[in-house]
Amino acid sequence: DAGITQSPRHKVTETGTPVTLRCHQTENHRYMYWYRQDPGHGLRLIHYSYGVKDTDKGEVSDGYSVSRSKTEDFLLTLESATSSQTSVYFCAISESKGNQPQHFGDGTRLSIL
Amino acid sequence: EDKVVQSPLSLVVHEGDTVTLNCSYEVTNFRSLLWYKQEKKAPTFLFMLTSSGIEKKSGRLSSILDKKELFSILNITATQTGDSAVYLCAVGLSYNTDKLIFGTGTRLQVFP
Repeated sequence: DAGITQSPRHKVTETGTPVTLRCHQTENHRYMYWYRQDPGHGLRLIHYSYGVKDTDKGEVSDGYSVSRSKTEDFLLTLESATSSQTSVYFCAISESKGNQPQHFGDGTRLSIL
Repeated sequence: EDKVVQSPLSLVVHEGDTVTLNCSYEVTNFRSLLWYKQEKKAPTFLFMLTSSGIEKKSGRLSSILDKKELFSILNITATQTGDSAVYLCAVGLSYNTDKLIFGTGTRLQVFP
């Protein structure tokens, strides 16, 4: 299994509060991704990173920000959580762009009340 | 708009049956097609296909890509209860973006 750890695994919080999810990898892979998974939508890309301090937006980036200060850590922040951000969040990593598959962490289940 | 469509949405079979899962796509700048298996947690990688007509095989699972007709199939022979999962298809876009577009998955249930 790819060495990917997501924390926390579960979180319940209230609308309007800030939330930070962490993805930690031990594979030294350059590329990291944040997805959300919702019924009827499949996995959708929120943000991704192609190196330390290098990030870009995915298809559903509104309301989310990311940071990558070290190769092994990729943080996803909801500045002011809304109920529409209740979802399961997955982190993925990839060794190289395009030629290798992405491997996923076990996910964080986030509920915003 | 790029899209990936999987069918059927769900499938119920008995152990020993053979199943075929379908994935069709309409995307700009196709690069690759990937299959994942998702049980309760992380999607786990099964296959990555980039060339048309070449079958990838791993045990009882196999997959093939048709780039002319824009689809792929995933076959599972002699199904077992451990094959019960959601199977996800994803299409990788051009080499410049490395983005994956996912289908909504096919839920397979295998009963003894």
